[in-house]
Amino acid sequence: AQSVTQPDIHITVSEGASLELRCNYSYGATPYLFWYVQSPGQGLQLLLKYFSGDTLVQGIKGFEAEFKRSQSSFNLRKPSVHWSDAAEYFCAVGTPNMRFGAGTRLTVKP
Amino acid sequence: GAGVSQSPSNKVTEKGKDVELRCDPISGHTALYWYRQRLGQGLEFLIYFQGNSAPDKSGLPSDRFSAERTGESVSTLTIQRTQQEDSAVYLCASSPGTDLYGYTFGSGTRLTVV
Repeated sequence: AQSVTQPDIHITVSEGASLELRCNYSYGATPYLFWYVQSPGQGLQLLLKYFSGDTLVQGIKGFEAEFKRSQSSFNLRKPSVHWSDAAEYFCAVGTPNMRFGAGTRLTVKP
Repeated sequence: GAGVSQSPSNKVTEKGKDVELRCDPISGHTALYWYRQRLGQGLEFLIYFQGNSAPDKSGLPSDRFSAERTGESVSTLTIQRTQQEDSAVYLCASSPGTDLYGYTFGSGTRLTVV
């Protein structure tokens, strides 16, 4: 069965610091992996997706994620966090029915 | 339309009443999904429509929940005899229907059962 685990419920980073949000998945085949962001009062927005090929994928807003099959991970990274990145981040696996993780809430300190 | 539209944006209902939630997908999107997001939790898959195929209802939590979609247009999620545990944000998403796309989500309907 498909499942996604986001081990960190809440992360706080300082503005300008680097960020890594963890995502581990369980999937029976080559996974389709996604990261979404949900800003306060707004809908979910797709940051990036991985289907195949290069294991490092670039997304919008300066985010990237790396697929590591050996670790069943798809961690989201950003070199320098901005205050506007404060939001809830969801990792998801599968298609057409995506299974979502419980989310990681990111707080950015000034 | 330009995006996925959901209505109403907020709904307060009394326990035991029926509610209908509406989703207008992006024009031309053949796939439509309903998810539920309880407070502080992730998204829970409810149901998936793809074109004229039989919907995947595997995520519906009970027989009080049902959904319809006519062709590739509007979908309605109905919750009968609402319970307090049904309080959540109900999110609709659509996609062009191929594997290569993520979803486009609507802003959701916040349902509160009192």
